[in-house]
Amino acid sequence: EAAVTQSPRSKVAVTGGKVTLSCHQTNNHDYMYWYRQDTGHGLRLIHYSYVADSTEKGDIPDGYKASRPSQENFSLILELASLSQTAVYFCASSPGTGMAETLYFGSGTRLTVL
Amino acid sequence: GDSVTQTEGQVTVSESKSLIINCTYSATSIGYPNLFWYVRYPGEGLQLLLKVITAGQKGSSRGFEATYNKEATSFHLQKASVQESDSAVYYCALRGAMLSGSFNKLTFGAGTRLAVCP
Repeated sequence: EAAVTQSPRSKVAVTGGKVTLSCHQTNNHDYMYWYRQDTGHGLRLIHYSYVADSTEKGDIPDGYKASRPSQENFSLILELASLSQTAVYFCASSPGTGMAETLYFGSGTRLTVL
Repeated sequence: GDSVTQTEGQVTVSESKSLIINCTYSATSIGYPNLFWYVRYPGEGLQLLLKVITAGQKGSSRGFEATYNKEATSFHLQKASVQESDSAVYYCALRGAMLSGSFNKLTFGAGTRLAVCP
């Protein structure tokens, strides 16, 4: 039933390793987003996409790549994971950027880099 | 850039008591931003609680209310009588005014964890 599904729910990775976080939406939305949240901080935008095969940088893109192979799927890739990338990651989708468009979020992925 | 400040990281309230969660914002774009409250229940993703796109207006949902105060740049969340089921994390968020550079994304506060005690 969940319209935005993230996998895995949690992951432990080693420093320097590659990590891929996946997101799948069944909302038929054009826009998809990746946010990260660190304890005591608000969600910060990493990458977003408004069409398949195209991604845009958000506010904190360094150290992350994104991939949107289809309208439904949006991945976040950490090529060389670092300790500072330990955080909770949220994927979201929205119909567009019309006034006050609602974002629909997944339940998050808790990433721990050791 | 835009910013959203929630001063309380955690709030504890007894059931049936009133609640206020503070939110202030700073928007660098010309015009008035859109303001939102999202809520995250345990084990779930964030979901929209309420939104207000016009300064001076009030939004309400599930017994919660928030008024867009452009003079004070505030958007505090209030509820007259909380229930244990309201225990969750509440996030204030801002979307920049239309035609601004920040219109296509949300800026979030750090969140306020509400614990309602029976």
